[in-house]
Amino acid sequence: EVQLVESGGVVVQPGGSLRLSCAASGFTLEDYTMHWVRQAPGKGLEWISLITWDGGDTNYADSVKGRFTVSRDNSKNFLYLQMNNLRTEDTAFYYCAKDTYFDILSGLDVWGQGTTVTVSS
Amino acid sequence: VMTQTPLSLSVTPGQPASISCKSTQSPLHSDGRTYLYWYRQKPGQSPQLLIYEVSNRFSGVPNRFSGSGSGTDFTLKISRVEAEDVGIYYCMQSVHFPPRYSFGQGTKVEIK
Repeated sequence: EVQLVESGGVVVQPGGSLRLSCAASGFTLEDYTMHWVRQAPGKGLEWISLITWDGGDTNYADSVKGRFTVSRDNSKNFLYLQMNNLRTEDTAFYYCAKDTYFDILSGLDVWGQGTTVTVSS
Repeated sequence: VMTQTPLSLSVTPGQPASISCKSTQSPLHSDGRTYLYWYRQKPGQSPQLLIYEVSNRFSGVPNRFSGSGSGTDFTLKISRVEAEDVGIYYCMQSVHFPPRYSFGQGTKVEIK
């Protein structure tokens, strides 16, 4: 079964740091561009980051650029999101998701169950 | 920017429903494909892909769901709404330069 499982979400103070992990199984991680999408409480979906299959290219939403860093370890089947200088507006449910095909931006066909990040003093 | 209408919809089971998605930037790529997708997010669940590239139903999606449109205007239709169709529906498009996804604000579908 193709599966993504996020972990690492906790309550953190403003200005703090956190690293989210996403474990991939049932498919070959290195074949796909991977993404992080978040959803603030009661709000819609917001794409925040992508990393190409080999980690050679990354991109970020303006809302997180310069504070978040996406990385991957294909040998371990893991995707990561390093989150620094967290703000209260980063409070959200964070999903990892995979592109449908090797082609970048071919739609997100598999999503994890998400992990909750709460930024609060 | 992607704008969905309506933002909420209350539908009697068995009746049709339609959601519009208008984009300020066409999802038509130079490769000839139109990178426009529809998702449903059931309460407490992750989003699920329904439609890819405007009108193609994803694996396992019932044929009561259909997508259409071109240019900057797209529509998701449910021919006969069922109770399990409750949730929030999102359109999403691929933006290739710089690469990212853009979501509509979502349409909440409820059953009367």
